Amino acid sequence: KQEVTQIPAALSVPEGENLVLNCSFTDSAIYNLQWFRQDPGKGLTSLLLIQSSQREQTSGRLNASLDKSSGRSTLYIAASQPGDSATYLCAVSYQAGTALIFGKGTTLSVSS
Amino acid sequence: GAVVSQHPSWVICKSGTSVKIECRSLDFQATTMFWYRQFPKQSLMLMATSNEGSKATYEQGVEKDKFLINHASLTLSTLTVTSAHPEDSSFYICSAPGLYGHGYTFGSGTRLTVV
Repeated sequence: KQEVTQIPAALSVPEGENLVLNCSFTDSAIYNLQWFRQDPGKGLTSLLLIQSSQREQTSGRLNASLDKSSGRSTLYIAASQPGDSATYLCAVSYQAGTALIFGKGTTLSVSS
Repeated sequence: GAVVSQHPSWVICKSGTSVKIECRSLDFQATTMFWYRQFPKQSLMLMATSNEGSKATYEQGVEKDKFLINHASLTLSTLTVTSAHPEDSSFYICSAPGLYGHGYTFGSGTRLTVV
């Protein structure tokens, strides 16, 4: 069964800290991997998309890496801010145009 | 970029009534739309896949007669929760796959509360 696991489930850090969120997937033959942010009661905001042929993607203070062979991805957030507080979801697809499979997310709380 | 507009954003309905949720692709044609459900503190679970002009494909355990999906045009997919019950209260969200390199686009979600 294709599953996505995210560790930790929750994380609390002081403002300014660098942090890493982890995502693992059981079937390494992914087509792409996408990181999202979800604020309470809201929809999803796409953060970064990594195609299976890529190793990492960067956007501002965010950097996502992909290691297909080990079935892992990490989302690195530099210099965290209170506004980064949200749930971060990792999702993978296995074929173009097929549905994403989501992890349960990591809920991040950044205190000022 | 690709935008999916979802309405309503929230709805409260009485038990036994039906509720329709709409997802429109505003600047692209969505031949496929995925419908997800999210219970509190849980992740998004795929309910069904709708394809324009054909019957939807439902995931195991999802009642197709209860969750009616229609994808009559390339820009509109609808999910109707029929005879809603309190256990159907959840967050429903739609998503369309993007072109290569552009990932998936999500609607803003609908919070359904059945009382």
